[in-house]
Amino acid sequence: AQRVTQPEKLLSVFKGAPVELKCNYSYSGSPELFWYVQYSRQRLQLLLRHISRESIKGFTADLNKGETSFHLKKPFAQEEDSAMYYCALYGANNLFFGTGTRLTVIP
Amino acid sequence: DTEVTQTPKHLVMGMTNKKSLKCEQHMGHRAMYWYKQKAKKPPELMFVYSYEKLSINESVPSRFSPECPNSSLLNLHLHALQPEDSALYLCASSQEGRGTNEQFFGPGTRLTVL
Repeated sequence: AQRVTQPEKLLSVFKGAPVELKCNYSYSGSPELFWYVQYSRQRLQLLLRHISRESIKGFTADLNKGETSFHLKKPFAQEEDSAMYYCALYGANNLFFGTGTRLTVIP
Repeated sequence: DTEVTQTPKHLVMGMTNKKSLKCEQHMGHRAMYWYKQKAKKPPELMFVYSYEKLSINESVPSRFSPECPNSSLLNLHLHALQPEDSALYLCASSQEGRGTNEQFFGPGTRLTVL
Protein backbone atom coordinates (compact mmCIF):
# COMPACT_ATOMS: atom_id res chain seq x y z
CA ALA A 1 0.00 0.00 0.00
CA GLN A 2 1.14 3.52 -0.67
CA ARG A 3 1.67 5.94 2.14
CA VAL A 4 3.14 9.41 2.51
CA THR A 5 4.39 10.57 5.89
CA GLN A 6 5.13 14.14 6.88
CA PRO A 7 6.25 13.90 10.50
CA GLU A 8 5.99 17.61 11.32
CA LYS A 9 2.55 19.21 11.47
CA LEU A 10 4.05 22.57 12.32
CA LEU A 11 7.47 24.02 11.57
CA SER A 12 8.71 27.49 12.46
CA VAL A 13 11.97 28.99 11.29
CA PHE A 14 13.45 32.48 11.31
CA LYS A 15 13.77 34.47 8.13
CA GLY A 16 17.06 33.71 6.46
CA ALA A 17 17.46 30.35 8.17
CA PRO A 18 17.56 27.09 6.24
CA VAL A 19 14.39 25.08 6.14
CA GLU A 20 13.75 21.39 5.52
CA LEU A 21 10.30 19.85 5.34
CA LYS A 22 10.46 16.10 5.68
CA CYS A 23 8.59 13.59 3.57
CA ASN A 24 8.91 9.82 3.60
CA TYR A 25 6.96 7.47 1.42
CA SER A 26 6.06 3.84 1.10
CA TYR A 27 5.33 2.45 -2.35
CA SER A 28 6.16 -0.85 -4.00
CA GLY A 29 6.56 0.55 -7.50
CA SER A 30 8.58 3.39 -8.96
CA PRO A 31 7.20 6.51 -7.29
CA GLU A 32 6.34 9.85 -8.78
CA LEU A 33 6.59 12.47 -6.08
CA PHE A 34 5.43 16.04 -5.79
CA TRP A 35 5.31 18.95 -3.40
CA TYR A 36 2.12 21.00 -3.41
CA VAL A 37 1.75 24.28 -1.53
CA GLN A 38 -1.21 26.26 -0.29
CA TYR A 39 -0.62 29.90 0.63
CA SER A 40 -3.11 31.69 2.85
CA ARG A 41 -6.44 32.20 1.05
CA GLN A 42 -5.09 30.69 -2.15
CA ARG A 43 -5.74 27.42 -3.87
CA LEU A 44 -3.57 24.35 -3.70
CA GLN A 45 -0.85 24.49 -6.35
CA LEU A 46 2.11 22.44 -7.51
CA LEU A 47 5.46 23.59 -6.19
CA LEU A 48 7.73 21.01 -7.77
CA ARG A 49 7.94 17.43 -8.93
CA HIS A 50 10.86 15.05 -8.65
CA ILE A 51 11.12 14.17 -12.33
CA SER A 52 11.78 17.79 -13.24
CA ARG A 53 14.73 18.13 -10.84
CA GLU A 54 14.09 21.87 -10.82
CA SER A 55 14.34 24.62 -8.25
CA ILE A 56 11.19 26.66 -7.73
CA LYS A 57 11.18 29.76 -5.51
CA GLY A 58 14.52 28.56 -4.17
CA PHE A 59 13.11 25.20 -3.08
CA THR A 60 14.60 21.89 -4.14
CA ALA A 61 13.71 18.30 -3.36
CA ASP A 62 15.73 15.21 -4.10
CA LEU A 63 14.28 11.76 -4.30
CA ASN A 64 16.29 9.34 -2.17
CA LYS A 65 15.08 5.87 -3.02
CA GLY A 66 17.35 4.25 -0.46
CA GLU A 67 15.82 6.24 2.38
CA THR A 68 12.41 6.49 0.63
CA SER A 69 12.46 10.23 1.23
CA PHE A 70 11.65 13.37 -0.73
CA HIS A 71 12.52 16.19 1.64
CA LEU A 72 11.90 19.80 0.58
CA LYS A 73 14.74 22.22 1.25
CA LYS A 74 15.49 25.90 0.96
CA PRO A 75 18.75 27.47 2.12
CA PHE A 76 17.29 30.82 3.20
CA ALA A 77 13.64 31.02 4.21
CA GLN A 78 11.58 34.08 3.32
CA GLU A 79 8.42 35.36 5.00
CA GLU A 80 6.42 34.68 1.85
CA ASP A 81 7.26 30.98 2.19
CA SER A 82 4.82 30.70 5.09
CA ALA A 83 2.19 28.24 3.88
CA MET A 84 0.87 24.70 4.11
CA TYR A 85 3.05 22.20 2.27
CA TYR A 86 1.86 18.79 1.14
CA CYS A 87 4.05 16.00 -0.12
CA ALA A 88 2.20 13.78 -2.59
CA LEU A 89 2.85 10.47 -4.29
CA TYR A 90 1.28 9.31 -7.53
CA GLY A 91 0.63 5.61 -7.63
CA ALA A 92 -2.14 3.21 -8.64
CA ASN A 93 -3.80 6.01 -10.61
CA ASN A 94 -4.18 8.04 -7.47
CA LEU A 95 -2.46 11.07 -5.98
CA PHE A 96 -1.89 10.40 -2.27
CA PHE A 97 -1.23 13.38 -0.06
CA GLY A 98 0.67 13.46 3.18
CA THR A 99 -0.94 15.16 6.16
CA GLY A 100 0.89 18.39 5.45
CA THR A 101 3.33 20.65 7.27
CA ARG A 102 2.43 24.22 8.12
CA LEU A 103 5.55 26.33 7.74
CA THR A 104 5.79 29.67 9.51
CA VAL A 105 8.71 31.94 8.75
CA ILE A 106 9.29 34.34 11.60
CA PRO A 107 10.48 37.84 10.58
CA ASP B 1 -8.04 31.04 -19.01
CA THR B 2 -5.68 29.10 -16.77
CA GLU B 3 -7.90 28.49 -13.80
CA VAL B 4 -10.24 25.88 -12.50
CA THR B 5 -13.45 27.48 -11.26
CA GLN B 6 -15.93 25.98 -8.83
CA THR B 7 -19.46 27.03 -7.88
CA PRO B 8 -20.86 27.62 -5.41
CA LYS B 9 -18.19 28.75 -2.96
CA HIS B 10 -20.35 27.75 -0.01
CA LEU B 11 -23.31 25.42 0.24
CA VAL B 12 -25.53 24.56 3.17
CA MET B 13 -27.99 21.75 2.70
CA GLY B 14 -30.26 19.51 4.67
CA MET B 15 -30.03 15.75 4.63
CA THR B 16 -33.04 15.44 2.33
CA ASN B 17 -31.91 18.03 -0.22
CA LYS B 18 -30.54 17.44 -3.69
CA LYS B 19 -27.82 19.82 -4.81
CA SER B 20 -24.98 19.92 -7.33
CA LEU B 21 -21.43 21.20 -7.28
CA LYS B 22 -19.97 22.50 -10.51
CA CYS B 23 -16.43 22.67 -11.81
CA GLU B 24 -15.17 24.18 -15.04
CA GLN B 25 -11.82 24.49 -16.81
CA HIS B 26 -10.88 25.86 -20.22
CA MET B 27 -7.28 24.73 -20.36
CA GLY B 28 -8.01 21.85 -22.69
CA HIS B 29 -7.31 19.35 -19.93
CA ARG B 30 -8.67 15.86 -20.50
CA ALA B 31 -8.61 14.61 -16.91
CA MET B 32 -10.71 16.02 -14.09
CA TYR B 33 -10.89 15.04 -10.45
CA TRP B 34 -13.04 15.44 -7.34
CA TYR B 35 -11.36 15.47 -3.94
CA LYS B 36 -12.82 15.73 -0.46
CA GLN B 37 -10.88 17.57 2.23
CA LYS B 38 -11.93 17.50 5.86
CA ALA B 39 -10.62 20.14 8.25
CA LYS B 40 -6.89 19.80 8.98
CA LYS B 41 -6.65 16.74 6.73
CA PRO B 42 -5.14 16.26 3.28
CA PRO B 43 -7.32 16.02 0.16
CA GLU B 44 -8.67 12.54 -0.57
CA LEU B 45 -9.47 11.46 -4.09
CA MET B 46 -13.11 10.63 -4.83
CA PHE B 47 -13.45 10.39 -8.61
CA VAL B 48 -11.32 10.68 -11.74
CA TYR B 49 -12.63 11.35 -15.22
CA SER B 50 -10.32 10.78 -18.14
CA TYR B 51 -11.49 11.80 -21.61
CA GLU B 52 -15.00 12.25 -20.17
CA LYS B 53 -15.14 8.69 -18.89
CA LEU B 54 -15.15 7.76 -15.23
CA SER B 55 -11.90 5.92 -14.69
CA ILE B 56 -11.64 5.79 -10.93
CA ASN B 57 -14.23 5.72 -8.17
CA GLU B 58 -12.53 5.44 -4.83
CA SER B 59 -15.36 3.53 -3.12
CA VAL B 60 -17.40 6.66 -2.68
CA PRO B 61 -20.98 6.23 -1.36
CA SER B 62 -23.70 6.41 -3.99
CA ARG B 63 -25.12 9.57 -2.43
CA PHE B 64 -22.31 11.27 -4.39
CA SER B 65 -22.85 11.03 -8.13
CA PRO B 66 -20.35 12.53 -10.57
CA GLU B 67 -21.12 13.66 -14.06
CA CYS B 68 -18.89 14.91 -16.86
CA PRO B 69 -21.13 16.52 -19.53
CA ASN B 70 -18.15 17.54 -21.65
CA SER B 71 -14.40 17.90 -21.43
CA SER B 72 -14.64 21.30 -19.71
CA LEU B 73 -17.28 20.57 -17.10
CA LEU B 74 -17.49 18.32 -14.10
CA ASN B 75 -20.46 18.08 -11.74
CA LEU B 76 -20.95 16.37 -8.43
CA HIS B 77 -24.57 15.62 -7.62
CA LEU B 78 -25.42 15.31 -3.96
CA HIS B 79 -28.42 13.55 -2.48
CA ALA B 80 -29.33 12.39 1.01
CA LEU B 81 -26.01 13.46 2.48
CA GLN B 82 -25.01 12.97 6.08
CA PRO B 83 -23.54 15.58 8.44
CA GLU B 84 -20.19 13.79 8.25
CA ASP B 85 -20.09 14.66 4.55
CA SER B 86 -19.49 18.29 5.50
CA ALA B 87 -16.11 19.19 4.02
CA LEU B 88 -14.30 21.21 1.38
CA TYR B 89 -14.81 19.66 -2.04
CA LEU B 90 -12.00 20.33 -4.46
CA CYS B 91 -12.02 19.95 -8.19
CA ALA B 92 -8.80 19.57 -10.15
CA SER B 93 -7.78 19.03 -13.74
CA SER B 94 -4.68 17.88 -15.56
CA GLN B 95 -3.59 17.61 -19.14
CA GLU B 96 -4.13 13.88 -19.04
CA GLY B 97 -4.70 11.32 -16.34
CA ARG B 98 -1.01 10.45 -16.09
CA GLY B 99 0.79 10.81 -12.81
CA THR B 100 3.46 13.13 -14.12
CA ASN B 101 0.89 15.72 -15.10
CA GLU B 102 0.47 18.68 -12.78
CA GLN B 103 -2.98 18.89 -11.28
CA PHE B 104 -4.55 22.35 -11.21
CA PHE B 105 -6.91 22.83 -8.30
CA GLY B 106 -10.00 24.96 -7.95
CA PRO B 107 -10.70 27.01 -4.83
CA GLY B 108 -13.19 24.47 -3.54
CA THR B 109 -16.81 24.42 -2.40
CA ARG B 110 -17.29 24.40 1.34
CA LEU B 111 -20.24 22.13 2.04
CA THR B 112 -22.17 22.01 5.30
CA VAL B 113 -24.78 19.33 5.79
CA LEU B 114 -27.28 20.02 8.55
